[in-house]
Amino acid sequence: NAGVTQTPKFQVLKTGQSMTLQCAQDMNHNSMYWYRQDPGMGLRLIYYSASEGTTDKGEVPNGYNVSRLNKREFSLRLESAAPSQTSVYFCASILRGGLTQYFGPGTRLTVL
Amino acid sequence: DQQVKQNSPSLSVQEGRISILNCDYTNSMFDYFLWYKKYPAEGPTFLISISSIKDKNEDGRFTVFLNKSAKHLSLHIVPSQPGDSAVYFCAAEAGNNRKLIWGLGTSLAVNP
Repeated sequence: NAGVTQTPKFQVLKTGQSMTLQCAQDMNHNSMYWYRQDPGMGLRLIYYSASEGTTDKGEVPNGYNVSRLNKREFSLRLESAAPSQTSVYFCASILRGGLTQYFGPGTRLTVL
Repeated sequence: DQQVKQNSPSLSVQEGRISILNCDYTNSMFDYFLWYKKYPAEGPTFLISISSIKDKNEDGRFTVFLNKSAKHLSLHIVPSQPGDSAVYFCAAEAGNNRKLIWGLGTSLAVNP
């Protein structure tokens, strides 16, 4: 039981490049979330998926797209990376009716 | 405007003493509060939570107190141990979609 896994762990992009951050959970959780954490800013919600087939914007969705591929996987895509998207990205999941979110180890992204 | 505030960016205590981390919130609709602990290069891990219908919840060395009239909660760690050194985030939840509003975190250092 790996919990929540994220790939890659580290990534460096040039401005304008695209990439997809992958997240998977093996806990049969219903809802999944993408956050970013910046120094002095805490965690901010980018997008979330309450259940398979649904996605909704969070606090800071601009510049990102998401796909809830199936119950296990929730990916985050940067179509045209910008330096302002340099951050640490965390994926989280929660069971329906559950009260606590479980987090992955994070992806550290640098956009030059 | 921050709905969840952790006004102390850092805290330093001696091993064996009590650590008290504080959190204030502005939204009276929050019905559930959580504390997460985060080590460097890892995702946040759930520590303890409290429902708005309670004023205290205890789990081993960790106790969370909620004062609804003051919109204030605190996390007590007794006795503090060096392994408790981490960043502690307060988070609040309102509604059914389990979206969390996060504070900026308090970095706790427990000195041997």
